[in-house]
Amino acid sequence: DTAVSQTPKYLVTQMGNDKSIKCEQNLGHDTMYWYKQDSKKFLKIMFSYNNKELIINETVPNRFSPKSPDKAHLNLHINSLELGDSAVYFCASSPRVGSRDGEAFFGQGTRLTVV
Amino acid sequence: DAKTTQPPSMDCAEGRAANLPCNHSTISGNEYVYWYRQIHSQGPQYIIHGLKNNETNEMASLIITEDRKSSTLILPHATLRDTAVYYCIVRVSSNTGKLIFGQGTTLQVKP
Repeated sequence: DTAVSQTPKYLVTQMGNDKSIKCEQNLGHDTMYWYKQDSKKFLKIMFSYNNKELIINETVPNRFSPKSPDKAHLNLHINSLELGDSAVYFCASSPRVGSRDGEAFFGQGTRLTVV
Repeated sequence: DAKTTQPPSMDCAEGRAANLPCNHSTISGNEYVYWYRQIHSQGPQYIIHGLKNNETNEMASLIITEDRKSSTLILPHATLRDTAVYYCIVRVSSNTGKLIFGQGTTLQVKP
């Protein structure tokens, strides 16, 4: 069973479109994240949710809106896509915030290409 | 969270031990050292973490110096599948869980 799964794996879309990426974890973790890896391979956190509540928002444009319907799901919706949004987006989860053994489990990534 | 410094790249012969260093001279007393790796086109993978004692698991060993200003990740018998970018991260265990990734070390295991 895949612990953290993202869909789709690849997404090619035109500028100005709105798209969503879905993420689900079956690990029973309380905390979920979205990270972005740009063309230079830098991995940077975007958002974090703990038990469906937003706890980190790293100055991401408000075109990006995360939504957590329950603690096993964290979706990322992007409005008015721009060329600079092209990147690989990783979803991750970890046990409850403050857990001593809080290693994060990452999904396989969604490669978004905006043309 | 403290900053870390790692060499940008390293080579290792298959079957030999790979020793990946990390400097974290500004680490605080309550910050842990975590190691993750990212194999090409995959998501980052947790390897190991420690506070001040040396740690070992099925993947690797983590050696932390007594002053905690540096650490070494050891892959005892590197295989071609260990070729990846290795990230050393220091953070407080009780924080938001946010991981701050640096540039990491690209380890190339050669036959």
